[in-house]
Amino acid sequence: GAGVSQSPRYKVTKRGQDVTLRCDPISSHATLYWYQQALGQGPEFLTYFNYEAQPDKSGLPSDRFSAERPEGSISTLTIQRTEQRDSAMYRCASSLAPGTQDVQYFGPGTRLTVT
Amino acid sequence: LAKTTQPISMDSYEGQEVNITCSHNNIATNDYITWYQQFPSQGPRFIIQGYKTKVTNEVASLFIPADRKSSTLSLPRVSLSDTAVYYCLVGGFNTNAGKSTFGDGTTLTVKP
Repeated sequence: GAGVSQSPRYKVTKRGQDVTLRCDPISSHATLYWYQQALGQGPEFLTYFNYEAQPDKSGLPSDRFSAERPEGSISTLTIQRTEQRDSAMYRCASSLAPGTQDVQYFGPGTRLTVT
Repeated sequence: LAKTTQPISMDSYEGQEVNITCSHNNIATNDYITWYQQFPSQGPRFIIQGYKTKVTNEVASLFIPADRKSSTLSLPRVSLSDTAVYYCLVGGFNTNAGKSTFGDGTTLTVKP
């Protein structure tokens, strides 16, 4: 695609519910990142993928968070049993090649609100 | 993973040159330095990237001293539309170390 897209753009959920966020990276981009961004703070790394491999998930806050990229393109981030502290902007980015300093292209983000 | 330190905020006026410095004392040999700009309600957007000395593109310049322990983003003749948060990002990715740390950035406010 022309750019990184994310859906939904906004999600309101009740505490305890599961949510799944989707990221569609720039086509042919090998690397995909997930970030969590609180208001007034910089993006905080969650995890990343090189194609379908997930070399680093150390940034995921708890085992309630998981991410997949089964075919090396679209990725999902799932938060189980959501808590109010999970409310944040979730951003996805992609870059062209793995193992490089490639520029990251960000999507518009998904604003998650847990009530 | 190289930690970065930037000023929290800066003010400037239209038409002035703005220099934002980022400290990264423990930068690794193979790390690059990348700057991003973020407007409210948008994702960060790449501005410039460099490894050493000076890099210039159509929007900014990046100055990196020989020891590479800091870098300075220079924005010439800023306008009101340059009001944004600017992030210095040091590092990169390999198959085993993909963590990417943005920090809280520098909020630049350009005044008329």
